Amino acid sequence: QKEVEQNSGPLSVPEGAIASLNCTYSDRGSQSFFWYRQYSGKSPELIMFIYSNGDKEDGRFTAQLNKASQYVSLLIRDSQPSDSATYLCAVGGSYIPTFGRGTSLIVHP
Amino acid sequence: DAGVTQSPTHLIKTRGQHVTLRCSPISGHKSVSWYQQVLGQGPQFIFQYYEKEERGRGNFPDRFSARQFPNYSSELNVNALLLGDSALYLCASTGGGGSLYEQYFGPGTRLTVT
Repeated sequence: QKEVEQNSGPLSVPEGAIASLNCTYSDRGSQSFFWYRQYSGKSPELIMFIYSNGDKEDGRFTAQLNKASQYVSLLIRDSQPSDSATYLCAVGGSYIPTFGRGTSLIVHP
Repeated sequence: DAGVTQSPTHLIKTRGQHVTLRCSPISGHKSVSWYQQVLGQGPQFIFQYYEKEERGRGNFPDRFSARQFPNYSSELNVNALLLGDSALYLCASTGGGGSLYEQYFGPGTRLTVT
């Protein structure tokens, strides 16, 4: 059973701070790692993907992957109230990724 | 370019009825996946189709079935609806046939079973 674990939160950070979201996975053969943002009542939106160990940056978002420790994280710099949402981690080793249950992020002014 | 489209947006059905949900992938994408998402949980995989062939099936009962058409659009059918089938049903589109391609979700169909 492939498992993807996320702290459900909520994670509360002040506006302008760095939000750090973490995800661990059980399948060592996993090759692809995704972060989705989901606003309440909406569908998930792909915001980052990473395939290799290390960091990948895109604007205010940085995805970090450590395959040896089996974790992937998402950093959001200069957090804004509009970043308040649930962040889903998805991990894939074949065609079909497994999703975590998501971490709720609240950015307060 | 248009994203993934799904219809209908919302649906209310009675226990025991049947429902058909529809999805059109992003133009040029050949793979479609279906997920069920209940409140507070991540999406749960139901089916994946690539080039009209089933490539994967999640842990759902046989009441759930799907197919993909020559234009790569897809249908998800659920028979003998149960209250527990109430959920957001998501369709995701993928560009290539390999395992490392990103999935893009449609807006979803909110199904309520009463």
